[in-house]
Amino acid sequence: AQRVTQPEKLLSVFKGAPVELKCNYSYSGSPELFWYVQYSRQRLQLLLRHISRESIKGFTADLNKGETSFHLKKPFAQEEDSAMYYCALSARRGGATNKLIFGTGTLLAVQP
Amino acid sequence: EPEVTQTPSHQVTQMGQEVILRCVPISNHLYFYWYRQILGQKVEFLVSFYNNEISEKSEIFDDQFSVERPDGSNFTLKIRSTKLEDSAMYFCASRHRDGGPQPQHFGDGTRLSIL
Repeated sequence: AQRVTQPEKLLSVFKGAPVELKCNYSYSGSPELFWYVQYSRQRLQLLLRHISRESIKGFTADLNKGETSFHLKKPFAQEEDSAMYYCALSARRGGATNKLIFGTGTLLAVQP
Repeated sequence: EPEVTQTPSHQVTQMGQEVILRCVPISNHLYFYWYRQILGQKVEFLVSFYNNEISEKSEIFDDQFSVERPDGSNFTLKIRSTKLEDSAMYFCASRHRDGGPQPQHFGDGTRLSIL
């Protein structure tokens, strides 16, 4: 079964503290994984995709196929990072569909 | 930067009525999607659309739902005989092309409230 699990509904940290938002997936094929962020009253925005291996706004995420994880990390949280974060798996069907399967999301609250 | 636009931002409808949610995908995108998010729950896939036909639909997307691309720019979701449980945020998304993990770009969503 295709599934994305984000075990934490809420993660509260202080400004400057490290952040790790957990994401585990279940997928029989070769996964394509994304992190989307939703700031208050705004649209879902792409933050990272695993194939890019880039750092956006200080965030990084490494695909660990052995642990089937794609955790999102940032060494020093900022107040403006407060948002809802969704991990998503792109599921191919005949190579054309690429629907996204979302986790339940983690609300990151960065305290001053 | 081009964006996916959705209208209306909020739709209030009586149970049993039909609603049409509208989306204008990014102009050079070829793949279109609808998702919904019931309050407090995860974002769920409804349907994908490519080359003027549905390419995949979820079990949620039953005969009550339909999609259409009537004029080459708009992409609509029609919900017939609305039920209370159809109340949710509905997100439209579009993607450029296949040939790799192209990301989907989302609109702001339409909040549908069924009374």
